[in-house]
Amino acid sequence: DAGITQSPRHKVTETGTPVTLRCHQTENHRYMYWYRQDPGHGLRLIHYSYGVKDTDKGEVSDGYSVSRSKTEDFLLTLESATSSQTSVYFCAMGAGTQLYNEQFFGPGTRLTVL
Amino acid sequence: DQQVKQNSPSLSVQEGRISILNCDYTNSMFDYFLWYKKYPAEGPTFLISISSIKDKNEDGRFTVFLNKSAKHLSLHIVPSQPGDSAVYFCAAGKLGNEKLTFGTGTRLTIIP
Repeated sequence: DAGITQSPRHKVTETGTPVTLRCHQTENHRYMYWYRQDPGHGLRLIHYSYGVKDTDKGEVSDGYSVSRSKTEDFLLTLESATSSQTSVYFCAMGAGTQLYNEQFFGPGTRLTVL
Repeated sequence: DQQVKQNSPSLSVQEGRISILNCDYTNSMFDYFLWYKKYPAEGPTFLISISSIKDKNEDGRFTVFLNKSAKHLSLHIVPSQPGDSAVYFCAAGKLGNEKLTFGTGTRLTIIP
């Protein structure tokens, strides 16, 4: 019953190469988010989207860009990957209509930059 | 500037006992708090929430307590079960702002 998926689930790449991670949701939720999870830092917001073509930066946005051309898809691009971007990346979605902004997460993408 | 902190990276508790996970925050403007649970190789899943106007919320074995004056919340799990072994994140949010601020997480291990 996965309403949100991520691809690829694992990726190994080399420093300097571009990388795109994809998030796909089937719930028609307005809000989508990209986080990275690193030891000692928890979940940190990279970018988020509040509608098609509407995006904004999070707390760790340097070196990342995003695009949302359709409600269901939210892409995260590392223009030129660096070793410091080795991490586990999570996409999340939220309806934004509830009292609490309960976010639903995808399964994650483990990215290794050599 | 870590606005939401979980000062215990790990916690071990015997099966059947109470697990208490703690979270501190610095921003008094947060309107609600959430707890998420995360198993290895999976995304976080929502567990329980509490509004800043309440001091307690209970859902089965899980209870969250909020002490606004101390800017502290805690998650109580009783009785603890092996399936509760996971990483727990607390998160805080403001009404009208669709972002959450997460803590660093606490790894809970339940010892059989």
